[in-house]
Amino acid sequence: DTGVSQDPRHKITKRGQNVTFRCDPISEHNRLYWYRQTLGQGPEFLTYFQNEAQLEKSRLLSDRFSAERPKGSFSTLEIQRTEQGDSAMYLCASSQAAGAYNEQFFGPGTRLTVL
Amino acid sequence: AQKVTQAQTEISVVEKEDVTLDCVYETRDTTYYLFWYKQPPSGELVFLIRRNSFDEQNEISGRYSWNFQKSTSSFNFTITASQVVDSAVYFCALSERNRDDKIIFGKGTRLHILP
Repeated sequence: DTGVSQDPRHKITKRGQNVTFRCDPISEHNRLYWYRQTLGQGPEFLTYFQNEAQLEKSRLLSDRFSAERPKGSFSTLEIQRTEQGDSAMYLCASSQAAGAYNEQFFGPGTRLTVL
Repeated sequence: AQKVTQAQTEISVVEKEDVTLDCVYETRDTTYYLFWYKQPPSGELVFLIRRNSFDEQNEISGRYSWNFQKSTSSFNFTITASQVVDSAVYFCALSERNRDDKIIFGKGTRLHILP
């Protein structure tokens, strides 16, 4: 078990470009969460999946953001027409929703810089 | 409404001093979990502790200790005999059983340990 992985670790893009991030959860974890952390703030919940179903989306997730988890394994987060305000660390976490407490394991994050 | 407040934005202490990081939370759930995470300059979130709402026992782990008081909705974190390696941003966080375990983070306290 190698933990939650995210790719890329860093992304620099120009305003208006599209970007896509990938998260590979711990195998057999059925829940996958995306969080965003802007400078000087704590991480904020964006969305989460139970298997392939996207069950909740935060109001932070504008129409330019879309997340998928097509086979209930890895997930992608796409940002279209990036804006400078999208610059942040994007964190992924996974958990196995099976018991009284479902611990989330965080990945190393993808740091996005929009120029 | 769920909320986590870390009133101390930044703290500086001299090495070997003790330091306490404050955390106050709000929740309507009776079943919830409280966390502390450390975020060093590398950016990864390092899990330190989880406490459930039914366990008010204080915990000590080496130089770290946590004081959970439901009466004041506080979950404070103390580092004893601080070391330079303790310098990081520390986040207090809350997760509610009835909200699919998504984690609500405070804004963090940046801790500087001066040699």
